[in-house]
This record gives sequence, C-alpha cells and structure tokens, in this order.
Amino acid sequence: GQNIDQPTEMTATEGAIVQINCTYQTSGFNGLFWYQQHAGEAPTFLSYNVLDGLEEKGRFSSFLSRSKGYSYLLLKELQMKDSASYLCAVRYNYGQNFVFGPGTRLSVLP
Amino acid sequence: DVKVTQSSRYLVKRTGEKVFLECVQDMDHENMFWYRQDPGLGLRLIYFSYDVKMKEKGDIPEGYSVSREKKERFSLILESASTNQTSMYLCASSQRTSGRVRETQYFGPGTRLLVL
Repeated sequence: GQNIDQPTEMTATEGAIVQINCTYQTSGFNGLFWYQQHAGEAPTFLSYNVLDGLEEKGRFSSFLSRSKGYSYLLLKELQMKDSASYLCAVRYNYGQNFVFGPGTRLSVLP
Repeated sequence: DVKVTQSSRYLVKRTGEKVFLECVQDMDHENMFWYRQDPGLGLRLIYFSYDVKMKEKGDIPEGYSVSREKKERFSLILESASTNQTSMYLCASSQRTSGRVRETQYFGPGTRLLVL
C-alpha cells in the first residue's frame, strides 16, 4: 500500500526558519507535492519535486530524495500568515492518483 | 483562473437521508476526485474518475457512490447518511498526465457535512 508520514504539529517563531519532513513508501512514484491549507479552506499548491534535489520558490523550498523516500519543505523568514497545515502528497500509479499525508499543523508565534 | 466549485459549504442532514454533493470544474480536466478530511487522518480518497461515466474506488468507498455524466461535473452520493460520515468533503480535479509533469490537483472550497 501507499503510506506517507509527517509530524502532526510544529511551532516556530516569526522570522525564523522551519523544516517540515515527509517520508513515504509508494509504488509507481511520479512526483511529490506540498500543499498549504489554512483552517477551513481548501489546500493550495506550493511546490513539486520529481527529481532529487532542491526546488526553491521565494521563501519556500522543497527537497526530494527518491532513494530515501524523503522530502522536506523549508520555510524561511516565517510570517504569521504561514500558520497553516502543510500537506505532503505523492502522485503514484504513474501519474493519476495522489496519496496524502496526515498534514503538519504549523503555528507561527510572534 | 482555475476554478473548482462545490454545491454547498455547510450541510446538515439526518441519519438515513440521501445526500448529494456536487462538484464542478471549469478547466476541462479529465481527472476528478472526492476526498474526505478528518482530524489526524488527512485526506482520504473516496472515489475518482478518469473520464465521463468512468469511476474507480479509492481507499474508503463504503457507503458512497459517484456519478460523472458530464466531464465538468462529479457528484458524490451518500445513499443513507450515517453519523460517521460527518466530515469535510473536498473535491479536486487534475489534468491527465502521461509523464513527469508539474500537474497538480486543484481543490474546491470543501463541504462541511454534519449528520445528526
């Protein structure tokens, strides 16, 4: 079966850097996605990795190691509005299906 | 701009009622999905569809059925609602991919269903 694991909750301070880890076991891997979800809202796309390495996009970066089944999302210069849940998702079955992790609820404190 | 809409944001139903949740996307996407989201469990796939009149069971299809008569519309049906179906229901769509392309899922705003 498909399985994704991430920490349930994290806390960080405004202006700091936080790293949210994600480990997965899937077959037919075809990309890893990170989504941001504010309370009561739909998930929105943040980043995508399909090859090993780091993808940078402004304050957010995402890293992938396929051999280790591991990814992380790095958030720099944290702002209060970054308080949200961050969902790790893997696309498998060669492109059509997604499996989601339980999500990491990040609280940014002043 | 990409748009996925769901028929209701909030819904209250009684046990045993038949419930219809509708989802419409305007991006001409082939793939559509229904998830439910519960605290600590994340998003769990109920059903998905790759094309019109096509459906596949996801991880938790029991108690649910779906209908896709038109490409843009994907309906989730609770034949006889039960209290354990109280949840947030999210619809999503994506383009069909055949390779390693940055094709994400786009989500609707969600329907929070309470079954009494």
